[in-house]
Amino acid sequence: GQQVMQIPQYQHVQEGEDFTTYCNSSTTLSNIQWYKQRPGGHPVFLIQLVKSGEVKKQKRLTFQFGEAKKNSSLHITATQTTDVGTYFCAGLDSNYQLIWGAGTKLIIKP
Amino acid sequence: GAGVSQSPRYKVAKRGQDVALRCDPISGHVSLFWYQQALGQGPEFLTYFQNEAQLDKSGLPSDRFFAERPEGSVSTLKIQRTQQEDSAVYLCASSRSGMGTGELFFGEGSRLTVL
Repeated sequence: GQQVMQIPQYQHVQEGEDFTTYCNSSTTLSNIQWYKQRPGGHPVFLIQLVKSGEVKKQKRLTFQFGEAKKNSSLHITATQTTDVGTYFCAGLDSNYQLIWGAGTKLIIKP
Repeated sequence: GAGVSQSPRYKVAKRGQDVALRCDPISGHVSLFWYQQALGQGPEFLTYFQNEAQLDKSGLPSDRFFAERPEGSVSTLKIQRTQQEDSAVYLCASSRSGMGTGELFFGEGSRLTVL
């Protein structure tokens, strides 16, 4: 079936280092959404990308949607403790089904 | 209400019991989704409603799972004859737009533990 692969599963960083998570789809997506889930919490919407090659920024977060609309990335510059959580991508396929990645857990090293 | 409300927040059931989980979406939201999230995993799609119509139930793992949204607002997910593998957090999400084209607002979830 259609899948969205998300890597890495975990990323350990020192506070102040950058963090990136990648999503790849086997098929073209209509849009891609990103969510953040804090430990013990529920997913919270961050952004939606719709256009081929789209880049959006939210403060230290940069989101990209690939030219072929099959891949996307989220990059966080200079991580802070408040960034801790799991980041999920969710892509809308041609059947209007939202396909979720497995998430990347951001862990700040003590 | 201001957000998506789910109840109960926590439910412990003995194997074989039936449970009912309630979701109260944001008023006026057309779309309603149910997801199952196991510990350390991403949300797994269960079913989707557009208003009162259940347009997709392909994610329901067995015929023990049943969902309804009779008036296009509140939804109930019912699990019959619960099994240990049903233990998970059940998340409800609603959206202003249809078919996953817009932001999903999630509730806090209902954590089900089956003993």
